[in-house]
Amino acid sequence: GNSVTQMEGPVTLSEEAFLTINCTYTATGYPSLFWYVQYPGEGLQLLLKATKADDKGSNKGFEATYRKETTSFHLEKGSVQVSDSAVYFCALSAGYGGATNKLIFGTGTLLAVQP
Amino acid sequence: DTAVSQTPKYLVTQMGNDKSIKCEQNLGHDTMYWYKQDSKKFLKIMFSYNNKELIINETVPNRFSPKSPDKAHLNLHINSLELGDSAVYFCASSTSERIEETQYFGPGTRLLVL
Repeated sequence: GNSVTQMEGPVTLSEEAFLTINCTYTATGYPSLFWYVQYPGEGLQLLLKATKADDKGSNKGFEATYRKETTSFHLEKGSVQVSDSAVYFCALSAGYGGATNKLIFGTGTLLAVQP
Repeated sequence: DTAVSQTPKYLVTQMGNDKSIKCEQNLGHDTMYWYKQDSKKFLKIMFSYNNKELIINETVPNRFSPKSPDKAHLNLHINSLELGDSAVYFCASSTSERIEETQYFGPGTRLLVL
């Protein structure tokens, strides 16, 4: 079946530190991969996505590369800010196309950045 | 303009009651979803609709009944609420053209059953 495994949180970093949040997946076929972010008290926002092997998604200084050989989609940022404090979700899109698509989420990783 | 909106934002109710949550999207999408986020932040798909037709129904108790009056609206009615229904319910929407389409989420409805 399809599943996503994320590193357990919380992850606590000082401002300007380097961030890595690990994400691996199990899937049949070739899923699209996503990182969503949830700020406190808010809904989920798409952070970045990649739709095929070796694609790199990037946004707001965050990057993730779709690695088919290691079934991974790790999230990285070179220098985090206090405003990056949030819960980060890795997800894959499973389905047969069209409206059968559904997102399978990892458990989420809480990131806390201290000034 | 809010792309995906939900009402109410907060819902506190007693066990056994019936309640509804409404969702509207103005993105012109043809597919809408309900997801449930439990107290540990775990997110799971419940339902999806495409052009008012139910497509995904993920082993959700039949106390939960979604309804889509048109492709811009998806409502969730819950009968006989139980303590375990306490969660955050997110509506989302997307187009159905390709598997990699982004799903856009609403702000969530925080349901607390006492």
